[in-house]
Amino acid sequence: EDQVTQSPEALRLQEGESSSLNCSYTVSGLRGLFWYRQDPGKGPEFLFTLYSAGEEKEKERLKATLTKKESFLHITAPKPEDSATYLCAVQGEYGNKLVFGAGTILRVKS
Amino acid sequence: GAVVSQHPSRVICKSGTSVKIECRSLDFQATTMFWYRQFPKQSLMLMATSNEGSKATYEQGVEKDKFLINHASLTLSTLTVTSAHPEDSSFYICSAGQGRDYEQYFGPGTRLTVT
Repeated sequence: EDQVTQSPEALRLQEGESSSLNCSYTVSGLRGLFWYRQDPGKGPEFLFTLYSAGEEKEKERLKATLTKKESFLHITAPKPEDSATYLCAVQGEYGNKLVFGAGTILRVKS
Repeated sequence: GAVVSQHPSRVICKSGTSVKIECRSLDFQATTMFWYRQFPKQSLMLMATSNEGSKATYEQGVEKDKFLINHASLTLSTLTVTSAHPEDSSFYICSAGQGRDYEQYFGPGTRLTVT
């Protein structure tokens, strides 16, 4: 059974204080690992897709990396507007459904 | 691009009534749409996968007779919660897949409250 574990559950940062969010996964044949951002009361917003170990993608202050067992979402010099829940999901080789982790709630204070 | 809409955004209904939620892909055609529910401070749980022109595939534990899914066209899927009860109150979110990359784009969600 595909599983995703995210840590930490919650993270509080000062503005400008860089950090990383972790997503550990087990999946039978990884098709893709996805990162989403979700604001309260809204649907998830797509950030990145990673397909193979060693791959990296960047978008503004965010950078996602992937190994065979985990993915990291690095946040460089965060701003208060980066506050949100960050969700990680995997898609295995059978079917196209996503299995989500519980998410990391990020709060950035000015 | 890749915009998905849902309607309504919020709905309050009485116990025993049925509620229909629409999910539309606005700028692309989606052969597959997905329905999720999310309880407060929890992650998304897949309820069913909806393929255009065929019956939906439900996840284990999801009652197909209670949560009716119709995917009549490449841009529209509907979820009908039949005989709703307070325990069905939740945040329902749809997503649609686009292209080879298997990325899913999510709608803004529908907050259902059953009184």
